[in-house]
Amino acid sequence: DGGITQSPKYLFRKEGQNVTLSCEQNLNHDAMYWYRQDPGQGLRLIYYSQIVNDFQKGDIAEGYSVSREKKESFPLTVTSAQKNPTAFYLCASTAGDMNTEAFFGQGTRLTVV
Amino acid sequence: AQTVTQSQPEMSVQEAETVTLSCTYDTSESDYYLFWYKQPPSRQMILVIRQEAYKQQNATENRFSVNFQKAAKSFSLKISDSQLGDAAMYFCAYRRWGSGTSYGKLTFGQGTILTVHP
Repeated sequence: DGGITQSPKYLFRKEGQNVTLSCEQNLNHDAMYWYRQDPGQGLRLIYYSQIVNDFQKGDIAEGYSVSREKKESFPLTVTSAQKNPTAFYLCASTAGDMNTEAFFGQGTRLTVV
Repeated sequence: AQTVTQSQPEMSVQEAETVTLSCTYDTSESDYYLFWYKQPPSRQMILVIRQEAYKQQNATENRFSVNFQKAAKSFSLKISDSQLGDAAMYFCAYRRWGSGTSYGKLTFGQGTILTVHP
């Protein structure tokens, strides 16, 4: 079945360490997105990418980095520069054309201690 | 920039009753999409309903319907015959009209937690 896979589901890291969240899709979608979810704030866009080796900052990109070496993969690195990294992270993809909906992964809960 | 506001952090409804979740948004564009997403305890985002701004007719999907008031920039979700499985966080979201990656970005409201009482 086609879909988006995020791993791991839960992730624990010590403060000051970088951590990478995985996002893989087999929907043949061009566009991929990373959102952060915090209580009471909804989802906020971190980064997005339309094609391989190209990506753009979203609304809250500081302290995060991404790569898009393959169409299917869009990993997110939470760096030590991110002040409040503990959150729920959702990856999404769209086909990129006009009349398309976003498909979401099941998310990764990151806890930094 | 577009903004989406959900002013009801929590709502509750009795099973089989009807509930309405509110959403307002702000945009200077005339064409766009609006969505309601459901996030159950599993945290999987599920698309509930979609509305194209150019359509005057309100979208419906089985027990779910919207009241889209373009001039007032209001987009409420009505759930009829509420079921226990409807209990979830509901998000209102806005998307620009057009193709390409930047148009696929979603702007979300803060969410409304819906509790369904048996």
